[in-house]
Amino acid sequence: DTGVSQDPRHKITKRGQNVTFRCDPISEHNRLYWYRQTLGQGPEFLTYFQNEAQLEKSRLLSDRFSAERPKGSFSTLEIQRTEQGDSAMYLCASSLRGGRNTIYFGEGSWLTVV
Amino acid sequence: DAKTTQPNSMESNEEEPVHLPCNHSTISGTDYIHWYRQLPSQGPEYVIHGLTSNVNNRMASLAIAEDRKSSTLILHRATLRDAAVYYCIPSNTGNQFYFGTGTSLTVIP
Repeated sequence: DTGVSQDPRHKITKRGQNVTFRCDPISEHNRLYWYRQTLGQGPEFLTYFQNEAQLEKSRLLSDRFSAERPKGSFSTLEIQRTEQGDSAMYLCASSLRGGRNTIYFGEGSWLTVV
Repeated sequence: DAKTTQPNSMESNEEEPVHLPCNHSTISGTDYIHWYRQLPSQGPEYVIHGLTSNVNNRMASLAIAEDRKSSTLILHRATLRDAAVYYCIPSNTGNQFYFGTGTSLTVIP
């Protein structure tokens, strides 16, 4: 079990630039989730996929955010025209559909917009 | 989504038991009760979960009230590595989790 891996772990970008984060889930997991966490707050749900289908998006996910999961394996989260308010940790998680629905998280990708 | 109430912070002496409470009075009949913890600068880590019966694993025990409106995470002997934010999350199978602000546990040497 190699766990959920995220890349890059840290990203500093200038306001207005685009950034992309990658997530590789646990290999047999067909559900993949993206969360965002700001300092002092718990993680907030953004979106999730079952295989390649994006089944739900939070209203937190503005039009500048897009997530994909081609072929139902890895996923990318792109943020266009970054703003300072986008500075946060972006967490990816994966799980098996149904059952006990235990979600396993990656270490997160820290974004700082300057 | 079931709302949860947890203390903002708790302290424990090292090697003593810790009882972390959570109220989830609006929990639905199909919600599992999950507990996760998050160490500084890391992603949340699964601790334990249960539905109705008390549960034990190598990390902790979970005591669930008979009416399921509250639960308690029990760390039998707190260590310095247990210092973290602990989240209680009632969740339907198949749905995403909604975290609150959790309980920040400080372990005193």
